[in-house]
Amino acid sequence: QVQMVQSGAEVKKPGASVKVSCKPSGYTFTGYYVHWVRQAPGQGLEWMGWIDPYSGEASYAQNFQSRVTMTRDTSISTVYMELSRLTSDDTAFYYCARNGVSGDYASVWGQGTLVTVSS
Amino acid sequence: DIVMTQSPDSLAVSLSERATINCKSSQSVLYSSDNKNYLAWFQQKAGQPPKLLIYWASTRESGVPDRFSGSGSGTDFTLTISSLQAEDVAVYYCQQYFDSPYTFGQGTKLEIK
Repeated sequence: QVQMVQSGAEVKKPGASVKVSCKPSGYTFTGYYVHWVRQAPGQGLEWMGWIDPYSGEASYAQNFQSRVTMTRDTSISTVYMELSRLTSDDTAFYYCARNGVSGDYASVWGQGTLVTVSS
Repeated sequence: DIVMTQSPDSLAVSLSERATINCKSSQSVLYSSDNKNYLAWFQQKAGQPPKLLIYWASTRESGVPDRFSGSGSGTDFTLTISSLQAEDVAVYYCQQYFDSPYTFGQGTKLEIK
């Protein structure tokens, strides 16, 4: 079955960067876009952007445009989301999710990675 | 950006009763060339990632119980749970994927009365 397995929790200091990985399985890695969505504790969902694992092309929400980089490594079928210049407002769960079969909806989600930003 | 507004923010319904959650977009998410509404619904239980329930506004994801249904078009959408079960306690989100950024509603918390 399709699974999205993410890397473990991270603790970072303000101003640092974090890189979260997401390893899909159960389907052809290059066949579907991967979305990234974050959720601050007790808050709602915020879409960050997507990456096309086939071409490496990425599209980012304006809110994150200057600080986020989404990449992929086809040799190990893994996608990454790196967020720089962290502040306490970036403390959140970060989720990856595979695109749907017929459209750009997030169909299968990873378990989430908690990133805590604290001095 | 397209703003998604859900109502109500919270809802308490008795077991076996109907639950209705509304979602309104600030502009139409109906694409004229394919006549599809680019709208999805998600369920998030406590401590879990979101789960896709409905896409294209009314297409149920595989494995989702048929008591969940989606309706609406253009700017106004509804998620209906026909007979509430205890396991349906969760926060429900709508999301538009018509135009980037793919914005979510603020969420509706569903509880048992």
